[in-house]
Parts: sequence; C-alpha cells; structure tokens
Amino acid sequence: GAVVSQHPSWVICKSGTSVKIECRSLDFQATTMFWYRQFPKQSLMLMATSNEGSKATYEQGVEKDKFLINHASLTLSTLTVTSAHPEDSSFYICSASLLAGGPIEQYFGPGTRLTVT
Amino acid sequence: GIQVEQSPPDLILQEGANSTLRCNFSDSVNNLQWFHQNPWGQLINLFYIPSGTKQNGRLSATTVATERYSLLYISSSQTTDSGVYFCAVGPPRSGTYKYIFGTGTRLKVLA
Repeated sequence: GAVVSQHPSWVICKSGTSVKIECRSLDFQATTMFWYRQFPKQSLMLMATSNEGSKATYEQGVEKDKFLINHASLTLSTLTVTSAHPEDSSFYICSASLLAGGPIEQYFGPGTRLTVT
Repeated sequence: GIQVEQSPPDLILQEGANSTLRCNFSDSVNNLQWFHQNPWGQLINLFYIPSGTKQNGRLSATTVATERYSLLYISSSQTTDSGVYFCAVGPPRSGTYKYIFGTGTRLKVLA
C-alpha cells in the first residue's frame, strides 16, 4: 500500500518550453502533496506544499510563477515548469501524506529527471 | 529555520559490518522519518519515528526528541544497503506536515 507514481520518469526539453510532471497516489487519497527538487549529490529541498482544492504554499525563494502547482483531486497533483531554462535541470520528487491531521508519514514517488537543453 | 545535520557524511563498510548513522536537529520536531535513497533515486521509507525505538529486521532506529537527535542502526550490512540515507523532520508550528531533509549519509557497502 501507499504507492505514489510520477510521470514522466525522465524528460528532455528545449529551453523556453514548459514541462508538466504528474504525481499520483495510487491506492490512497492524499489531502496534501509535497514537491521537492534534488541536485546531484545534494539533499532534497522542499519547493511547495500542495493541498487539494486550494493554492499551493511555496517555500521561500521558489518562484511560484515558474513552478505552477495544481492539486485538482485527492489523487493527483501536477507541477509545471514554465519557460524552462538549463538551470531548472534537476531531479523533481513528489510525496503524498496518507492522512490529514495527526501524525502522518510521507510516501515518495520515484522522481522525474528533467534536462533542459 | 530548523537545521538538520547528519553524520558521518560518507561511510564505507565491509559486508557484514554494523554501523550507526546520526541525525541532529536544532529545534523540537513533531515528525521524523528515515529514508533510504537507492541508486535510481527512489526514496524508501525506513521508519516513522518522532520518538522512541523501532526495529525492522537488520535496521533499528531511536529518536530522543528531548535531546534533538535520532540514530539509525544497520547491522550485518549488505551490498544492497548502499545508497544515501536521509532523515527528515517536521518543524512544529509549520501549519503543515512538511519535512526538512537532513544533509544525508552516503553509504557504500563492499562485498
């Protein structure tokens, strides 16, 4: 149980284009999903918290107009990297919380490797 | 904001050896998890352990919340244990159950 999928697993795009990454909770409903990015040999950095039916909460320093997050249902959140540039190349990982309220665990998707040329 | 430091940053073990990984955090936390990131980047949940001790096979973890640290024990290490180990903590009063990740311990187990 508690499986999270991401699609695509890797993507190469040209500078200036937009890329959408999907995060799905397959066997549970996730009121809250989180988006992280990870550079090579570094830790995960939280980008934003996504709640179903409401606007995402972005961490300090993350451009909300560049990284658009939509949490349209209890099983799907999307991250769109708009007007991508080479410095946006990174490993993007989503996670989902099993329950809202009370102690909860996060379950992580397999990640999406984005390369912008 | 809360700081999360892990030690050691790198660790090389011979297969069969035991090890202890440490996670120190600078403020009280309401959640704590340990993860193993495999070579393909997937994070695997090891323990949800905001306090106390848990064991799962060759792995065990202890969190002493009042002293702001957590330990992950790996016994009889195997080559498949190689990868990066992260602790992640949930800062209180954040309004959400977000996590701040530690700096990680990169483990390599040699056959």
